[in-house]
Amino acid sequence: GESVGLHLPTLSVQEGDNSIINCAYSNSASDYFIWYKQESGKGPQFIIDIRSNMDKRQGQRVTVLLNKTVKHLSLQIAATQPGDSAVYFCAERPLGYQKVTFGIGTKLQVIP
Amino acid sequence: DAGVIQSPRHEVTEMGQEVTLRCKPISGHDYLFWYRQTMMRGLELLIYFNNNVPIDDSGMPEDRFSAKMPNASFSTLKIQPSEPRDSAVYFCASRGTSGGLDTQYFGPGTRLTVL
Repeated sequence: GESVGLHLPTLSVQEGDNSIINCAYSNSASDYFIWYKQESGKGPQFIIDIRSNMDKRQGQRVTVLLNKTVKHLSLQIAATQPGDSAVYFCAERPLGYQKVTFGIGTKLQVIP
Repeated sequence: DAGVIQSPRHEVTEMGQEVTLRCKPISGHDYLFWYRQTMMRGLELLIYFNNNVPIDDSGMPEDRFSAKMPNASFSTLKIQPSEPRDSAVYFCASRGTSGGLDTQYFGPGTRLTVL
């Protein structure tokens, strides 16, 4: 069996505080970016997306920021709640391709 | 909408046995993706279909893996023969493109354990 696995970055946040999860992507041809949330024992769930012609997009309690110059993506969660505890993945898709590449994920732990 | 449906949710089998994983995509979606998730490699795309036709199977690890989509509402991922290193969670996802929607919706996954 596997004895070594990916070491997920972990972010611990106090309940009620804002969370910022960062992601660096490598493909400058990517034009579509998505954030997914994966709770234990479940499949990834879409949170928010952004296209490369935008640098900010807001949803309910979440904001995604895109900096194409440094190939950086961030997810901001306002007033973090215990139900936000999960692994968060950024994903990218290049122009003209259907294949989405996922990052390794960041584990968010909300401290009550 | 029931979302993407996968079966079985858990599968335990012995090395050498054939394993078949099943997926029912969201009605109206024309893309279907199969992923594998392990602690070692994260989430990997194995294969995807568009309108029931396999488009990119470059992520399929070896000839022991095969996938089919006989119609718009059903797909299978088969491993024959299975090996312990195939143990992972296998996800199916579907996506529609009408109206500009191109987000993937994932099923709950099948946790496969090969002894």
